[in-house]
Amino acid sequence: AQSVAQPEDQVNVAEGNPLTVKCTYSVSGNPYLFWYVQYPNRGLQFLLKYITGDNLVKGSYGFEAEFNKSQTSFHLKKPSALVSDSALYFCAVRVLRFLYSGGGADGLTFGKGTHLIIQP
Amino acid sequence: DTAVSQTPKYLVTQMGNDKSIKCEQNLGHDTMYWYKQDSKKFLKIMFSYNNKELIINETVPNRFSPKSPDKAHLNLHINSLELGDSAVYFCASSQDRTYTGELFFGEGSRLTVL
Repeated sequence: AQSVAQPEDQVNVAEGNPLTVKCTYSVSGNPYLFWYVQYPNRGLQFLLKYITGDNLVKGSYGFEAEFNKSQTSFHLKKPSALVSDSALYFCAVRVLRFLYSGGGADGLTFGKGTHLIIQP
Repeated sequence: DTAVSQTPKYLVTQMGNDKSIKCEQNLGHDTMYWYKQDSKKFLKIMFSYNNKELIINETVPNRFSPKSPDKAHLNLHINSLELGDSAVYFCASSQDRTYTGELFFGEGSRLTVL
C-alpha cells in the first residue's frame, strides 16, 4: 500500500527562523508526492509537488521541499517563517490504481497533517 | 471565479434525515472526487468519478450515493444520516487520471448531525 507519514502533530517555530515539516513515504515504484496547506475553515491549497527531476522542488509562498530517495522523505521547508504561515500542512502521495487494467492514478492519500505554529 | 465550488457550506440536520451536497468545477477537468475530513482533520477519499464514470468507491456505507450528471458536477446524497456522518466533506477535481496532476479542492461543506 502506498502511504505517507507525518511524524509530528505540531511544529513550533519563531518568526524569521527556518522551518521544516517532515514527511516520509512508502510507495512501490516511483513516488509522486505533494504538499498542501489548509487554513482554518478553508479548503486545501496546493503548495508543490515532486514528480521527477531536481530533488529540490520550489512552490508557492516561498515554500520548497526536498525529495530524498535514500531516506524516503519529502520534507517541506521555508528559510524564514512568517506568522501567516501558521496552518495545517498535509503531505500526500498520488495513488496508483488499476495499474494492470490500463488505468491511471486516482486521488491522493494524505498524511494525518502537521499543525505549524509560527510565534511572533 | 471559484474553480471548485460546493454548496451548502454549512449543513445542520437531524439524525435520520436525507441531505445533499453539490459540487461544480469550472476548470474543464475530467476527474472529480469526494473526500471526508473527520474531527481529527484526517482526510479520506470516498469516491472518484472520471468523465461521469465511477472509478473509486471506497468502503463507504451505501447510504452515501454520488451522482455525476456531467463531468463538471459531482453531487453527494446521504440517506438516513447518522451522528458519525458529522464531518467536513470536500469536493476536488484534477485534470485527468494522470500521475502528475494535482487536485484542486473546494472550500468544504461542514455537516453537523444532531
